[in-house]
Amino acid sequence: ETGVTQTPRHLVMGMTNKKSLKCEQHLGHNAMYWYKQSAKKPLELMFVYNFKEQTENNSVPSRFSPECPNSSHLFLHLHTLQPEDSALYLCASSQDETLSGGATDTQYFGPGTRLTVL
Amino acid sequence: GQNIDQPTEMTATEGAIVQINCTYQTSGFNGLFWYQQHAGEAPTFLSYNVLDGLEEKGRFSSFLSRSKGYSYLLLKELQMKDSASYLCAVKDSNYQLIWGAGTKLIIKP
Repeated sequence: ETGVTQTPRHLVMGMTNKKSLKCEQHLGHNAMYWYKQSAKKPLELMFVYNFKEQTENNSVPSRFSPECPNSSHLFLHLHTLQPEDSALYLCASSQDETLSGGATDTQYFGPGTRLTVL
Repeated sequence: GQNIDQPTEMTATEGAIVQINCTYQTSGFNGLFWYQQHAGEAPTFLSYNVLDGLEEKGRFSSFLSRSKGYSYLLLKELQMKDSASYLCAVKDSNYQLIWGAGTKLIIKP
């Protein structure tokens, strides 16, 4: 049990659809992350929120739009995606993004949403 | 650029020992993490090293040499359930995690 939940677990959408991914953490953490995981590639950090403020946006296309209404919830809004956006989207949380190192910086992951764009 | 290298795939026998290596070149170093990820599941935290040496946790151990930019994960008494991908990640000077592509470990009876 990771304490981080994601819905839906699987999503198939067309290129013209709009959908949203949801993440919720029950660990009392202050930082939340969106990652993209493609086969045989390293995890790609997309967005970071620390205390509800976005602190990282790693050149992600505008068709991905994050929202963090509070420290426990994180959304990823999707619109006009491309087939190459098909991947596993993982949410993670940690105590605080800016801690000065240590095992307490450990990120805890949700099970991911397997996204297929047709 | 920043880079984490680990083997793509390894095969080992049930009951044996396997060592998964990870080498890194990053701008700064603030700790190295190992995660386990079963197919279709979340990555789960295994170990954390920030000082040189060996950290042992049950059947799993992780080693770090900062001067060599090198770590390994050692799995003993392998079980079929250890079949998974093992991800190495380094926290750089900006406290951002840099990830390797993962090592898929296949355990055979």
